[in-house]
Amino acid sequence: DAMVIQNPRYQVTQFGKPVTLSCSQTLNHNVMYWYQQKSSQAPKLLFHYYDKDFNNEADTPDNFQSRRPNTSFCFLDIRSPGLGDAAMYLCATGQDNSNQPQHFGDGTRLSIL
Amino acid sequence: GESVGLHLPTLSVQEGDNSIINCAYSNSASDYFIWYKQESGKGPQFIIDIRSNMDKRQGQRVTVLLNKTVKHLSLQIAATQPGDSAVYFCAERTRGSARQLTFGSGTQLTVLP
Repeated sequence: DAMVIQNPRYQVTQFGKPVTLSCSQTLNHNVMYWYQQKSSQAPKLLFHYYDKDFNNEADTPDNFQSRRPNTSFCFLDIRSPGLGDAAMYLCATGQDNSNQPQHFGDGTRLSIL
Repeated sequence: GESVGLHLPTLSVQEGDNSIINCAYSNSASDYFIWYKQESGKGPQFIIDIRSNMDKRQGQRVTVLLNKTVKHLSLQIAATQPGDSAVYFCAERTRGSARQLTFGSGTQLTVLP
């Protein structure tokens, strides 16, 4: 059974039109992550939530925002998508202070028209 | 800066042979390492992990070796099967930044019939 679920699997949006990607987890992990992955590259961390504490990476553009209304759900908002934002967006969860790996969802592939 | 990198971007092996995927890291403060497998269109899937107080760990058909002296990590896959074809990423966690992983650039493993 999937433990980190991302919806939708594929998302198409227009240049400049806001889009929201969603992630839910059944693991009850206290950390949730959003990564951007472009073709043939490693995942790049955008930000993470430790409980309700938001932690942004220094090089994450302001165009990317996130919300975590509760333990199970986390959203990635792209306010004005540009062509360069076309990518796979991966959500992951983890438990802080544990020697356990992060668990990934299968991602949302975002296309920009 | 410090980074995790892979020696070879691609690796082709015959079905039934053993595969070895290598990874170099430069952060001596890293204390936990993970290998992920990513199939096309899917999120990274956990394969095996190892803590820095160990030098070898075995799973089902997979073995991870850690050489802290030369900062080298390897993944060995025994009797490689077609289903092993994927991109493999190593990732490290640095002491003091326990919630974050640094990913290597990935190796594409292709299993030949």
